[in-house]
Amino acid sequence: DTGVSQNPRHKITKRGQNVTFRCDPISEHNRLYWYRQTLGQGPEFLTYFQNEAQLEKSRLLSDRFSAERPKGSFSTLEIQRTEQGDSAMYLCASSYPGPFSGANVLTFGAGSRLTVL
Amino acid sequence: QKEVEQDPGPLSVPEGAIVSLNCTYSNSAFQYFMWYRQYSRKGPELLMYTYSSGNKEDGRFTAQVDKSSKYISLFIRDSQPSDSATYLCAMSPMDSNYQLIWGAGTKLIIKP
Repeated sequence: DTGVSQNPRHKITKRGQNVTFRCDPISEHNRLYWYRQTLGQGPEFLTYFQNEAQLEKSRLLSDRFSAERPKGSFSTLEIQRTEQGDSAMYLCASSYPGPFSGANVLTFGAGSRLTVL
Repeated sequence: QKEVEQDPGPLSVPEGAIVSLNCTYSNSAFQYFMWYRQYSRKGPELLMYTYSSGNKEDGRFTAQVDKSSKYISLFIRDSQPSDSATYLCAMSPMDSNYQLIWGAGTKLIIKP
């Protein structure tokens, strides 16, 4: 297993276009998370899946954002009608509850950088 | 006021120095405390996690939690140029382990 994989690594798009990012988590991890990170800030939680079920979605998340994890394996994050404010690094992470239940040990991918012109 | 405060730096120290990185927080419900390291254009990677108060040591790294002061620290001994990165603290309450609250990160530069 090569860890959490994200594609594409960098996407440049024009304002108003739709973009989609893909995340392949560690195979035995049943939890998958999407975060957004801007320069000089910590990651901001977007949404979270346990297997194929989307259990939590940030109330700050616009309706233009949608995420899926159809078979409980890979996930996609789609942003419709992109705006310049969407420019950020989109991070995917996965986890599996270990012996210390309650400790949320995340393994992150390298991220997908979005630039909206 | 943010729930988790972290000095953004940059913090520049000579190779071999002891580094102290800190976060303060306001929510007394936080029970799990983590330190992540993030290299430029990479995702964060977990360095240390601790539960409740106390110290935890792993090689050159020591994490401390002082819940009475709502203050956590990460110490790096014998710092190396390869330690140059952004260090992020993160924490969560006991009953909400699916969502972490993050600091903004401290940029650390180790000068050879």
